[in-house]
Amino acid sequence: DSGVTQTPKHLITATGQRVTLRCSPRSGDLSVYWYQQSLDQGLQFLIQYYNGEERAKGNILERFSAQQFPDLHSELNLSSLELGDSALYFCASSGTSGVQYFGPGTRLTVL
Amino acid sequence: QQPVQSPQAVILREGEDAVINCSSSKALYSVHWYRQKHGEAPVFLMILLKGGEQKGHEKISASFNEKKQQSSLYLTASQLSYSGTYFCGPPMMIKAAGNKLTFGGGTRVLVKP
Repeated sequence: DSGVTQTPKHLITATGQRVTLRCSPRSGDLSVYWYQQSLDQGLQFLIQYYNGEERAKGNILERFSAQQFPDLHSELNLSSLELGDSALYFCASSGTSGVQYFGPGTRLTVL
Repeated sequence: QQPVQSPQAVILREGEDAVINCSSSKALYSVHWYRQKHGEAPVFLMILLKGGEQKGHEKISASFNEKKQQSSLYLTASQLSYSGTYFCGPPMMIKAAGNKLTFGGGTRVLVKP
């Protein structure tokens, strides 16, 4: 158990819809990262937050947005969903070492 | 920019050795290695902080050549449990615009009995 929690575990929705994925980091970790992993693909970095502020941005689509709240949990919002958005979405957190601890992931299926 | 890993995939018999390489076009201040088993989340294996430093995890070890901006992961006397996809990880958090903190594309390792 990495100490990072993600909800929900599975999400099935239709094209055009909007969903919110939630992540709670390990206790004490200030950084939260979001990754997308399509079937049998690598980890695509989406965005990083540090203590409530955006720190780094990857290949995140304009339809996607994220935020980190004062209690350090983070949410990833995906809107106008397309079939190609179906993937595993991982959240990771890190402390000062930069080592990332991954949550179990949210599997999103867009029908 | 994404670190480049090679090979993309490797198949081993139990007890065989393998080397996975990770190269970056940008200066590396540290290298992380992670392993992801099928259907699971990536798990941290080790971090290398100094050039030339070698670290180990079970019979998996790694080296880091800061000058060449390369790291190598050595799977020695591989076990079935070593199967999975190995990723070399992003550098330490650096306050630099455009730092995308990406992982390498991954190397799939399959260890057969």
